[in-house]
Amino acid sequence: NAGVMQNPRHLVRRRGQEARLRCSPMKGHSHVYWYRQLPEEGLKFMVYLQKENIIDESGMPKERFSAEFPKEGPSILRIQQVVRGDSAAYFCASSPKDRSYSYEQYFGPGTRLTVT
Amino acid sequence: DQQVKQNSPSLSVQEGRISILNCDYTNSMFDYFLWYKKYPAEGPTFLISISSIKDKNEDGRFTVFLNKSAKHLSLHIVPSQPGDSAVYFCAGHNQGGKLIFGQGTELSVKP
Repeated sequence: NAGVMQNPRHLVRRRGQEARLRCSPMKGHSHVYWYRQLPEEGLKFMVYLQKENIIDESGMPKERFSAEFPKEGPSILRIQQVVRGDSAAYFCASSPKDRSYSYEQYFGPGTRLTVT
Repeated sequence: DQQVKQNSPSLSVQEGRISILNCDYTNSMFDYFLWYKKYPAEGPTFLISISSIKDKNEDGRFTVFLNKSAKHLSLHIVPSQPGDSAVYFCAGHNQGGKLIFGQGTELSVKP
């Protein structure tokens, strides 16, 4: 049973470019969460999605960031016009189908975004 | 607003001894607490959780204690092994689904 998959593992973008981060949840999981870890800090919640639905985006910056989890395919975290402050590790997690088990979140290996 | 705090950035323990990692929280609405272990350049790995209605949960060498009146939880690792060296994060689960993480404690277990 494959775990949470994220790609790419490393992404380098110049200021002003777009970054697209992908996440495939564990088999049987339909809830996806994105977290960001800045250097020397803990993980910070960004957004919680179900298929075709955003449940909670209270941690998303108001501009340039968006997330989706389409009916088919992986979840995508999109950052437009990246700035140096976006450089961080972005982690995706998934949890089982029943929302009452949303505390059981399993993490992927992360995408390390570097903005030059 | 730091709802979950790990006040010790690092901890060093001798192999075979007990490691105790501490975590404080301010939000009484958390329904679960979790501990994750993280190696550099990898994602967090789930270790153990505890429901807010319990005061102890044990899994092998790992035990988590919850003191609701003090809003404090701790993770005990006995006996500690060099392979346990990693950064440990505690997290509170918000009933809406999100996890709120502490800043992490780096554990070093020396042979």
